[in-house]
Amino acid sequence: AQSVAQPEDQVNVAEGNPLTVKCTYSVSGNPYLFWYVQYPNRGLQFLLKYITGDNLVKGSYGFEAEFNKSQTSFHLKKPSALVSDSALYFCAVRVLRMDTGRRALTFGSGTRLQVQP
Amino acid sequence: GAGVSQSPSNKVTEKGKDVELRCDPISGHTALYWYRQSLGQGLEFLIYFQGNSAPDKSGLPSDRFSAERTGGSVSTLTIQRTQQEDSAVYLCASSQVVFGNQPQHFGDGTRLSIL
Repeated sequence: AQSVAQPEDQVNVAEGNPLTVKCTYSVSGNPYLFWYVQYPNRGLQFLLKYITGDNLVKGSYGFEAEFNKSQTSFHLKKPSALVSDSALYFCAVRVLRMDTGRRALTFGSGTRLQVQP
Repeated sequence: GAGVSQSPSNKVTEKGKDVELRCDPISGHTALYWYRQSLGQGLEFLIYFQGNSAPDKSGLPSDRFSAERTGGSVSTLTIQRTQQEDSAVYLCASSQVVFGNQPQHFGDGTRLSIL
């Protein structure tokens, strides 16, 4: 089955430390992968994407993600966390739905990042 | 406008009433999506529109839910005879093409509370 998983409900990190938010996927073919962030009472904001090319993708607000085909992962990273990075993070992958034959964007369950001062 | 606009931002209504939620996508975006998010959880796909093609309604949870998109722009999601389990945040998004390599852009959502 085509899917995306975020194994951690919450990640806690101290301000200034590096952060990693994990994402693994299962799709047939080459994946389209996205990371979004959601602040309280707001919609999702696009951070970065992997479509093809370099495995290390740089995005907004100093975030980056590494595409690892052998491990089917697309972990989100930042070298130095800020308190303002505290939010809900979603990984998403484009899938082909078997029931309809149409494409869809499947979102992970989300990871809450808490950065402590 | 510059982004996706949704209205109202909040809606409180009594069980059994009908509600209409509006989405104004980014100008020029041919694809428009509706999602439902419960209590800060993940996103549940409801429906998408792509240009003049027939919409994909496969995510609508019941026949009480319907949506339309007029003139290829503004969309309205209608929930008839609302139930308490319909309480959620309804998010709209748009993109240049449907599920392409460009990201979806989201509105801030409508927070629907059914009493």
